[in-house]
Amino acid sequence: AQKVTQAQTEISVVEKEDVTLDCVYETRDTTYYLFWYKQPPSGELVFLIRRNSFDEQNEISGRYSWNFQKSTSSFNFTITASQVVDSAVYFCALAPGSARQLTFGSGTQLTVLP
Amino acid sequence: DVKVTQSSRYLVKRTGEKVFLECVQDMDHENMFWYRQDPGLGLRLIYFSYDVKMKEKGDIPEGYSVSREKKERFSLILESASTNQTSMYLCASPGQGGTEAFFGQGTRLTVV
Repeated sequence: AQKVTQAQTEISVVEKEDVTLDCVYETRDTTYYLFWYKQPPSGELVFLIRRNSFDEQNEISGRYSWNFQKSTSSFNFTITASQVVDSAVYFCALAPGSARQLTFGSGTQLTVLP
Repeated sequence: DVKVTQSSRYLVKRTGEKVFLECVQDMDHENMFWYRQDPGLGLRLIYFSYDVKMKEKGDIPEGYSVSREKKERFSLILESASTNQTSMYLCASPGQGGTEAFFGQGTRLTVV
């Protein structure tokens, strides 16, 4: 069985602060995929990034960066110099190699205050 | 550019009614999922389908059934709606090889 844990239910930061959202996963599969999605107040789920289990290289995209560590089963997401528009619920998700399941964490509500 | 479409954005039904939520994808994907989203609980998988007429239970299938007669359409059925099924329902379709899942806009169902 798969499991994704996002221990941080809510985080508030002031604009321009850096913030890290934690994600810990459990799986018995050797091949799997990890994802981050953003859900702004409008409600639609926006795909941010995908990582496969064989690629532990960290990734940076503008103000966003992701740290994947298989040793600790973690896939953390950092927003640098946060902005008010970053306010949203962020979900971490896990899929097995077959992609016949997609398990989400409970989400982290990020509020960036001006 | 529409990829996953859910038939209704908002729906109000009475307790005991049979409710159909429809989802259509235009990407020729084999996999389709139904989730419900509740505050503090994230997205919980109800059912998924990996081929026409194939379905498997997710984490919370009780009170729901599904139908996949055509590849592009995946229907969620509430046999006898109850108030505890009031929720946001999301349909998703991932591509092969673990590519990203595309989501519909969601259906907010209220059972009164």
